[in-house]
Amino acid sequence: QSVLTQPPSVSGAPGQRVTISCTGSSSNIGAGYDVHWYQQLPGTAPKLLIYGNSNRPSGVPDRFSGSKSGTSASLAITGLQAEDEADYYCQSYDSSLSGSKWVFGGGTKLTVL
Amino acid sequence: QVQLQESGPGLVKPSQTLSLTCTVSGGSISSGSYYWSWIRQPAGKGLEWIGRIYTSGSTNYNPSLKSRVTISVDTSKNQFSLKLSSVTAADTAVYYCARGQVYRYYFDYWGQGTLVTVSS
Repeated sequence: QSVLTQPPSVSGAPGQRVTISCTGSSSNIGAGYDVHWYQQLPGTAPKLLIYGNSNRPSGVPDRFSGSKSGTSASLAITGLQAEDEADYYCQSYDSSLSGSKWVFGGGTKLTVL
Repeated sequence: QVQLQESGPGLVKPSQTLSLTCTVSGGSISSGSYYWSWIRQPAGKGLEWIGRIYTSGSTNYNPSLKSRVTISVDTSKNQFSLKLSSVTAADTAVYYCARGQVYRYYFDYWGQGTLVTVSS
C-alpha cells in the first residue's frame, strides 16, 4: 500500500471539472515537503504535470492546477478533454525514523465519459 | 532536450541479479543540479522509488530495497546503472530511470521504461 492515498478512479464528462485528492501524513506532505503530480497515458512513461504543489512545466495547459493544504493536496482539471484520460500520480518526499524516500500515491484513473 | 534510455535483459531468473543501464543524452550527467533515480512499476500497479545517485557517487536507497540495491554512475559514458540482487517474481515490473532536481524532490525527465520479467 502506498504512503500517499489517492482515489482509485474519477470520471467526468467533456468540459467538466474534476479533482483528484492526495492524502499524506506528518512525515511527508504535513512535514512541508512539496507535492508533485504526473500524468501517465496508457503504455507510456509518467510525465511531470505539476511541480512544487502548483507550478506547471512549460507546455502543460493551464487547465491543470494543483494545491496543497495541511497533509493533503489536490489536482484539478477544468474543461475536461478526451485526451486527459490517463492515470494520475501524486508524489512527495517522506522522512521518518524508518528512513527517507521519495513516495508516490497509488494512482487515480481518470475516465472521460 | 534531455533524453533517458533504459537498457538491459528483459528476463531474469529467480535468485539472480537484475542489471539495467540508463543512458543520458542531450545533457551531461555530471551537472551538479540533478540527481539520477530508478523507479519501477509492476503491471497495473503504482510507482515505487528504488534509489538515486549524485554524480559524486553518493547514493540513497528505498529502505525496503536497500539490502538488495546498488546504483552506480559512469560519467565518462553519461550512464548510470541499477543492480538488484536475489530477485523474485515480485520484482517483475517496468523499470524507469529518471532525472531529479536537487532540492526540489521531483522528476522532470523519464526514460520510456523497460519491462523486466523474473521467471525461470
